[in-house]
Amino acid sequence: SQTIHQWPATLVQPVGSPLSLECTVEGTSNPNLYWYRQAAGRGLQLLFYSVGIGQISSEVPQNLSASRPQDRQFILSSKKLLLSDSGFYLCAWSTKREPSYEQYFGPGTRLTVT
Amino acid sequence: GIQVEQSPPDLILQEGANSTLRCNFSDSVNNLQWFHQNPWGQLINLFYIPSGTKQNGRLSATTVATERYSLLYISSSQTTDSGVYFCAADFTGGGNKLTFGTGTQLKVEL
Repeated sequence: SQTIHQWPATLVQPVGSPLSLECTVEGTSNPNLYWYRQAAGRGLQLLFYSVGIGQISSEVPQNLSASRPQDRQFILSSKKLLLSDSGFYLCAWSTKREPSYEQYFGPGTRLTVT
Repeated sequence: GIQVEQSPPDLILQEGANSTLRCNFSDSVNNLQWFHQNPWGQLINLFYIPSGTKQNGRLSATTVATERYSLLYISSSQTTDSGVYFCAADFTGGGNKLTFGTGTQLKVEL
C-alpha cells in the first residue's frame, strides 16, 4: 500500500530564517505531487504541483519554492521566512490514472514563524 | 472564476442525529472528493465521487454533476465524527488540481 510521509511535524522558525520541508511517498512510482497550505484552520490552497522529476508548477506568487529531486520526494523551501508564511502545510500525491486522480494527503507540518 | 461552496459553515448535533452537508461547484468536474479533517489536522479521504452515489458505513455521498452539487450524509452521528468536512473539486480542464471549499465545522455532542 502507499504511504506518504512529511517532516518535521511541527516547526517554529524566526522571521528571515530559511525553510525546508520534506515529503516522500512510498509504494508507488511516478506520482503527481502537491503542496497545499491551510491558514487559520480552513480553506486549503494549492501552492505547487509536480508531474515528474524537476517539473514544478507554481499556483500562487509567494515567498516559497518547490523542488522534486527524486521521483517520490517533494521539497518546499524558502530562503527567508515571513510572518505570513505561518500555517499548516500539507503534501499530497495522486496516480496518473485518467480522467482524474484521487489525491491522498500526508500528516502535515505546522509552521509558526515568530 | 471556479468556486466550491459548502454549507452550512458550522453544525452542532446531538449524538445519534443525522445530517446533510452540501457542496456546490461552479463548473463541470473530473473529480469530486470529500475529506474529514480530524483534530490533529490529518485529511482523511471519505469519498471519490465525481457522479452517482456511494456508501461507506454510516456515511454516504451523492453527486449530481449536471446540477453541480454534492451531498454528504452522516447518519447516527458519533462524537468521533467531529471535525471539519471538506469537499474539493478538480474542474474539467483544470489540470488535475483540487479546489477546496471552506469546509463545514461539525461538532457532535453527547
